[in-house]
Amino acid sequence: GQNIDQPTEMTATEGAIVQINCTYQTSGFNGLFWYQQHAGEAPTFLSYNVLDGLEEKGRFSSFLSRSKGYSYLLLKELQMKDSASYLCALGGSKSTFGDGTTLTVKP
Amino acid sequence: EAGVTQSPTHLIKTRGQQVTLRCSPISGHTSVYWYQQALGLGLQFLLWYDEGEERNRGNFPPRFSGRQFPNYSSELNVNALELEDSALYLCASSPSGGTHGYTFGSGTRLTVV
Repeated sequence: GQNIDQPTEMTATEGAIVQINCTYQTSGFNGLFWYQQHAGEAPTFLSYNVLDGLEEKGRFSSFLSRSKGYSYLLLKELQMKDSASYLCALGGSKSTFGDGTTLTVKP
Repeated sequence: EAGVTQSPTHLIKTRGQQVTLRCSPISGHTSVYWYQQALGLGLQFLLWYDEGEERNRGNFPPRFSGRQFPNYSSELNVNALELEDSALYLCASSPSGGTHGYTFGSGTRLTVV
C-alpha cells in the first residue's frame, strides 16, 4: 500500500520562502507529484520527481530522496496568490494523495 | 486545447437514488482517473481506466462503478446513494497510466439529501 504524511497547515509571510515537507511509504515507487489546489477549485499539477535531487521550476522547486521516503516543495518569493492547499501524491496505479498542507500567506 | 471537462457541475440527489457523472479527457490522453473529495478532506482514489479497461479501483463499495468509452470519455455511476456520498467528484486524465502529472477537471459537486 501507500501512505503519505504532510503537515496540515503552515503560515508564511509575503516575500518569504517556505518549505512544505512530505514523507511517504510505498511498496513500489513510481514518482512523486506535487499539486496546488485553491479553495473550491481542482488541483493543478506543479512538479514531478522520479530521481533523487532538486527540480526547479521558476519560484517553485521540489526535492526528492527515495532512500529517506522524503520530498519537499520549496516556494520562494511568496505571493498572496500562493495561499492554497499543496498536495503531495505518489505515482502508480492508485496514485495516493496526501491530505494536503494548507498554506496561508500573510502580508 | 480543451481541458478535462466534467458534467454536470452540480447535482442534488435523494438518498437511495442513482447518479451518473461524465468526464471527457484531454485529447490524446488515454487514462482517466476518478477521485472523491469530501468537504475539507483529501482526495480518495476511486477508479482508473486506461484504453477502455478498468485498471484499478480504490477502497469503495461496488455501488461505485464506471466505464470508459472508445473515445476515452468516462462515466462514474453511483447506486443507492448515501448521505456520505456528498462530495466533489474529480476526474483527471493523463497520457498514460501512473507516470505523468494529471490534469484535473473542475469536478462535479454532488449533494445527497
